[in-house]
Amino acid sequence: QTVVTQEPSFSVSPGGTVTLTCGLSSASVSSTYYPSWYQQTPGQAPRTLIYSTNTRSSGVPDRFSGSILGNKAALTITGAQADDESDYYCVLYMGSGPWVFGGGTKLTVL
Amino acid sequence: QVQLQESGPGLVKPSQTLSLTCTVSGGSISSGGYYWSWIRQPAGKGLEWIGHIYTSGSTTYNPSLKSRVTISVDTSKNQFSLQLTSVTAADTAVYYCATWNVWYYYMDVWGKGTTVTVSS
Repeated sequence: QTVVTQEPSFSVSPGGTVTLTCGLSSASVSSTYYPSWYQQTPGQAPRTLIYSTNTRSSGVPDRFSGSILGNKAALTITGAQADDESDYYCVLYMGSGPWVFGGGTKLTVL
Repeated sequence: QVQLQESGPGLVKPSQTLSLTCTVSGGSISSGGYYWSWIRQPAGKGLEWIGHIYTSGSTTYNPSLKSRVTISVDTSKNQFSLQLTSVTAADTAVYYCATWNVWYYYMDVWGKGTTVTVSS
């Protein structure tokens, strides 16, 4: 069973920079996994932020960026704002399915 | 831009079948380029992919749910549907329909979600 790993929680100060990561239990993540990232605020549907490692979805501010850092995919928020306080999920493409979401990272801005 | 809207009963009794429909607007479900997907989220927990169907009718399901899940498509109504049999309280969740973009490998469009509670 493939496990996609994310930090359970993270905190950042307003205006600060934070990097969330997305890894695999048994392999290194590369761009061939086409990592994508989703933001979800309470009571709302997920919103697509990043796909294909580092492409921002339409309307996503450029303070959100994606990359590969070491053996993991990474989502960096530069200049964090109060409304960035959300849950963040990643998905790694591993073929035609099944697709596995990471457990999500709860980001607190304080 | 494709938009998705889930619909179906908000309350299902244990052991019965959960049935949900996702209506597609702004595009044709037959046009290709997407896997039409279902995802769920129990309260306070993470996202779980349930399965998807392609326009060809081919399906892939989460192995943990495969024995209970059927996803189908109705091109005449521009809809796709989820059936989950023998439900228990553990199936209580918000259910989302979404599109998986087959060219760039990501969840492209999400519905707003619908809450389904399994209770007698």
